[in-house]
Amino acid sequence: DAKTTQPNSMESNEEEPVHLPCNHSTISGTDYIHWYRQLPSQGPEYVIHGLTSNVNNRMASLAIAEDRKSSTLILHRATLRDAAVYYCILRMEYGNKLVFGAGTILRVKS
Amino acid sequence: DSGVTQTPKHLITATGQRVTLRCSPRSGDLSVYWYQQSLDQGLQFLIQYYNGEERAKGNILERFSAQQFPDLHSELNLSSLELGDSALYFCASSATTSGRTGELFFGEGSRLTVL
Repeated sequence: DAKTTQPNSMESNEEEPVHLPCNHSTISGTDYIHWYRQLPSQGPEYVIHGLTSNVNNRMASLAIAEDRKSSTLILHRATLRDAAVYYCILRMEYGNKLVFGAGTILRVKS
Repeated sequence: DSGVTQTPKHLITATGQRVTLRCSPRSGDLSVYWYQQSLDQGLQFLIQYYNGEERAKGNILERFSAQQFPDLHSELNLSSLELGDSALYFCASSATTSGRTGELFFGEGSRLTVL
């Protein structure tokens, strides 16, 4: 599985945008970029995914670099409820398993 | 509520014992995944089933086994338990196995404590 690199932790103020970076320099052409998050004492939950183009949904936006070697998850207005571990994962189009790395611990200050 | 149901939520047992964790996937989802999360190892992929057949294997110990039944529910069997098996065990399900569309939905986990 291609690897991703994320910062161990980040901090944000409530109501401000948060940009969570992810490097995936060995990404292949058929790898989709997936983001999941895990709130305290809960199972992971899907956030967003994309292949080449930027993506938006009700939870977040995903900005993908033109060479696809990096991506950024954008939370437009962080709330206390967004404090979680955020995982950036590469998944093949016809892949099976989803392999989690260490993720980024996001702390949100009020 | 993800729609994935795991039982039991909590389980305390002794070393050397055997336990079974159960997972009911979301209605219609054919694929079931099992993950182990301990404090020092993070989320580790164990095994995946698709429509009753094993599709992918991760770092699953030989003492552990799983199966997916015709009604699509899955069970993870853990035997000869050791202290180090204490962890949260998550089950997830998805409609497909594709990275293009296959969003995983996770249950709330089963917390296993081995004393």
